[in-house]
Amino acid sequence: EAGVAQSPRYKIIEKRQSVAFWCNPISGHATLYWYQQILGQGPKLLIQFQNNGVVDDSQLPKDRFSAERLKGVDSTLKIQPAKLEDSAVYLCASSPEMGFTEAFFGQGTRLTVV
Amino acid sequence: AQSVAQPEDQVNVAEGNPLTVKCTYSVSGNPYLFWYVQYPNRGLQFLLKYITGDNLVKGSYGFEAEFNKSQTSFHLKKPSALVSDSALYFCAVRDLGNTPLVFGKGTRLSVIA
Repeated sequence: EAGVAQSPRYKIIEKRQSVAFWCNPISGHATLYWYQQILGQGPKLLIQFQNNGVVDDSQLPKDRFSAERLKGVDSTLKIQPAKLEDSAVYLCASSPEMGFTEAFFGQGTRLTVV
Repeated sequence: AQSVAQPEDQVNVAEGNPLTVKCTYSVSGNPYLFWYVQYPNRGLQFLLKYITGDNLVKGSYGFEAEFNKSQTSFHLKKPSALVSDSALYFCAVRDLGNTPLVFGKGTRLSVIA
């Protein structure tokens, strides 16, 4: 079974530029998550999708971050414009359903904003 | 709202010795608890989970965790540590329904040969 795929693995941009990350979850997984992991901290949820609907985006900085999951499969996370404090690893995860199951994580995208 | 505390930033243990990585949690209802491990430049890998049943949960790579409801703890353990166990360990919790995993800040485990 293929795991969660993310791209790119690394990205360096200047502040005020825009950037997009892509995630392909495990086949058949209805729930998809985007987490932000700042160095030295645990992952923090940005947004949770169930199929192509948003379940929780309460911690997403909506003035600069956006995410979509068209057709309930792939997802993209965008930052526009980026700030220095957005430097972090962005992790995508998926699970078969909400509730009791664990989430399976991709390798993440390391973003550096300079 | 649920939360997780990992009181130790770093745990050092000699190879072959038992290891414990501590985790306490707070949820309004029944907890569903998880341990993940993160190696450098890698994503999070699932180790084990507690949903219900036996308080001692066994997981991958010889790890186990003990759920203690009265102490609201879910400590990760291994009887004999390996150098290859050196990594960053995260405890996570969720409760019923649609809530996502909430992670602790992580504990760095260093196993010394």
